[in-house]
Order: sequence, then C-alpha cells, then structure tokens
Amino acid sequence: DAGITQSPRHKVTETGTPVTLRCHQTENHRYMYWYRQDPGHGLRLIHYSYGVKDTDKGEVSDGYSVSRSKTEDFLLTLESATSSQTSVYFCAISGERGGRTDTQYFGPGTRLTVL
Amino acid sequence: GENVEQHPSTLSVQEGDSAVIKCTYSDSASNYFPWYKQELGKRPQLIIDIRSNVGEKKDQRIAVTLNKTAKHFSLHITETQPEDSAVYFCAASRGGMGSNYKLTFGKGTLLTVNP
Repeated sequence: DAGITQSPRHKVTETGTPVTLRCHQTENHRYMYWYRQDPGHGLRLIHYSYGVKDTDKGEVSDGYSVSRSKTEDFLLTLESATSSQTSVYFCAISGERGGRTDTQYFGPGTRLTVL
Repeated sequence: GENVEQHPSTLSVQEGDSAVIKCTYSDSASNYFPWYKQELGKRPQLIIDIRSNVGEKKDQRIAVTLNKTAKHFSLHITETQPEDSAVYFCAASRGGMGSNYKLTFGKGTLLTVNP
C-alpha cells in the first residue's frame, strides 16, 4: 500500500492534552497531506506539505499544526485536544510515479478519541 | 475554492444490477477526477481516475464519464457483486504544481449490494 504508515493507529486522550500523529513514507514522494474523516463530511484537508519545511493550511486547519523536517515524515499536532477533534485521521502522499504526480495514496489511518 | 457535490448519499442495488454515482464540481479549472473506494475500517483506495482530455474511461466493470461543459462526472459499476459494497468518494483537482495536487472530496456514497 504505497509504503505509508501512520502511528499510533489508535489513541484515546483527554481534553486539553497535546497529541502528535506521525505519517511516515518510504516512497520519497514530495507531497504529503493530512485529512480528517467524519460521518457526513467525507475527507477534509487539514494541512499539506509540498516539500521539506514547506507546509500550508487546508480547509479545516484551526487547532492543528504540522511539521516536516525530512521527506519521509509529516507530523500533525493538536496543541490542546478538544472533543470536536475526535475523528479518523488519514495521511496521504503523492509524487511522480509513471510520469504522473496527481494521484494520492492513503495511509491506514489513526482513530483518535478525545474524552 | 472548489466544491464537489456527490449523489446519492446511499444506494442499494441487487447483485448483478448496475450502480451509478454522480458528482458535480464548481471550479472550471479542475482537470483531474479520481474515485476512491473505502471498505469499512480501511483506507480509501483509488479505483479509477479520469483527466479532462478524455470523456470516458473503463476498467473491467468500472467506468467513469466526464462532462466538462456541465461540470459533472459519474462512476458506473456494472454487474455489481457483494464485494462492491463500500463507501465511494469522488474528488476533483486542478492538478499541476501550482495547486500542489490538492484534492477536494465529495461526501461519499454508501453502496450496498444485496445478494
């Protein structure tokens, strides 16, 4: 599955605590994305990265920050988790493959519960 | 920004029947339209995609059609089987480095194929 892993796969935390989710890829792809998936909302983009140390906001970025210090890792941080951030978080990557760059491949997801 | 509407939100068919899922998009500059299938508890997986230089693409029992004038595209599944049961997402993108290959997703269609 395109060499993408996410950790942890499941996490339960309490309101107000910081949480960091990790996405790791072995494809050397340039682009990485964080989405959240909630019933009735589909997949919504939180933040994305277009290179090492190059990141930008997506449509639902409030309450989240990201960092990418090396090509293979993209971290998503909830500085102070809230119950509204209970969700399933997916990382995706895209990069040149067979002459195409636009196809995104998804990681296995992280289920986060904020109590 | 781009807005993608997907219909229907749920679809139930008998095994062997056809299923059609439709999406409309708002950004006339979008030129890449992938479809993802997500089984329960799994990651979204690309099943087929189409680019704006073609009107139709087929892969065995799956086909996608694109009408750029009307800004809509559709997924067609023929001879449905119980293993086709899943949530299907459409997405749209402008493509190209300027967009950072970001995707905007529809909210999904839950397809149930009854034996």
